[in-house]
Amino acid sequence: EAEVAQSPRYKITEKSQAVAFWCDPISGHATLYWYRQILGQGPELLVQFQDESVVDDSQLPKDRFSAERLKGVDSTLKIQPAELGDSAMYLCASSLVAGGGQETQYFGPGTRLLVL
Amino acid sequence: AQTVTQSQPEMSVQEAETVTLSCTYDTSESDYYLFWYKQPPSRQMILVIRQEAYKQQNATENRFSVNFQKAAKSFSLKISDSQLGDAAMYFCAYSWSFNKFYFGSGTKLNVKP
Repeated sequence: EAEVAQSPRYKITEKSQAVAFWCDPISGHATLYWYRQILGQGPELLVQFQDESVVDDSQLPKDRFSAERLKGVDSTLKIQPAELGDSAMYLCASSLVAGGGQETQYFGPGTRLLVL
Repeated sequence: AQTVTQSQPEMSVQEAETVTLSCTYDTSESDYYLFWYKQPPSRQMILVIRQEAYKQQNATENRFSVNFQKAAKSFSLKISDSQLGDAAMYFCAYSWSFNKFYFGSGTKLNVKP
């Protein structure tokens, strides 16, 4: 069964350093999502791509976070510089299309980030 | 604004018994979708069940069923014949446009042998 791949699974970094996370969605899925999940909370959408275009990045802290999906397939989320409050699980998900809300999202295993 | 509330941070159930997880949401839309996702420890989130708001019939998937009360904006998940493998965080989610999901804060389900 096809799955969403993410790497690395765990990342420890010092504050003010740069970190990057990678996501490879299920083949054929046009829509890709990056979420941040703080311990004890539900996932919160950071950015949504439709193919290579950003559909929603209203919750992305653009002064330090950036995301790209250059060829409309895999995607990279970057944080520079990392802050202590960025410690969280970063989840990637994909769906066939954006549609009207009915598409199931398939999640990857996540990258757990710890900022020291 | 769309919000999803799960008022039970943690619940426990005996193996083979039934448990119900609660979820309420706030929306002004009439057509939308509701989901329950399961997140086992150190594993990815997987879809448990989904419900279309325009359907009056409650969704079921094997041992999992929902009680969808549209007027009350309530969407509870019932797990029958609970198994040890059901232990996980359960998240309720709402979606209506462009597939933007709004998640609740989750309910941790413990299953006792």
